[in-house]
Amino acid sequence: GIQVEQSPPDLILQEGANSTLRCNFSDSVNNLQWFHQNPWGQLINLFYIPSGTKQNGRLSATTVATERYSLLYISSSQTTDSGVYFCAAGANQAGTALIFGKGTTLSVSS
Amino acid sequence: EAQVTQNPRYLITVTGKKLTVTCSQNMNHEYMSWYRQDPGLGLRQIYYSMNVEVTDKGDVPEGYKVSRKEKRNFPLILESPSPNQTSLYFCASSLSVGGYEQYFGPGTRLTVT
Repeated sequence: GIQVEQSPPDLILQEGANSTLRCNFSDSVNNLQWFHQNPWGQLINLFYIPSGTKQNGRLSATTVATERYSLLYISSSQTTDSGVYFCAAGANQAGTALIFGKGTTLSVSS
Repeated sequence: EAQVTQNPRYLITVTGKKLTVTCSQNMNHEYMSWYRQDPGLGLRQIYYSMNVEVTDKGDVPEGYKVSRKEKRNFPLILESPSPNQTSLYFCASSLSVGGYEQYFGPGTRLTVT
């Protein structure tokens, strides 16, 4: 089945810095989502982005489906951005699960 | 507000005592599924449902049951919970199977002693 790899596994930033998180996937996908898991364990939908580019405030994402990767950009990071960021991909088969990467743990200090 | 709700959010129980975690969505979604999240293992799918009365096993179905009698509800049943089912559980839904955004509930943190 599809495999999803995220990098880096850990990221430590000072408030105000920018960062790029990467997600590689091993097969063609019809679903690619980015999530932020907050300290209370909730999974917050950031982007649904099987292809193309989207922006939402300080966050943006780009997926290049033909090259099988997606990038999440965080600009002017804030302490509230801390947490784990997951990429999840769904393959082109009915009923298949979203396959999650292991996540990138982001720590932003003031 | 469009959402997926789960109850309870937190539960501590004992081995063997049957329990049900409820999941409900108000978006008229056809597809619903359950995941569990464990340290070092990530999120894995337990069961999914493509529509009412249509359910199927995911990657880790052992020890769980589900039912889909109504479109909006997809309860997860642990008939005889064991400590290895201690986990963080998420319900998710999407409009249909395939390439649609999945929406996740807030999670249920279950501890089985």
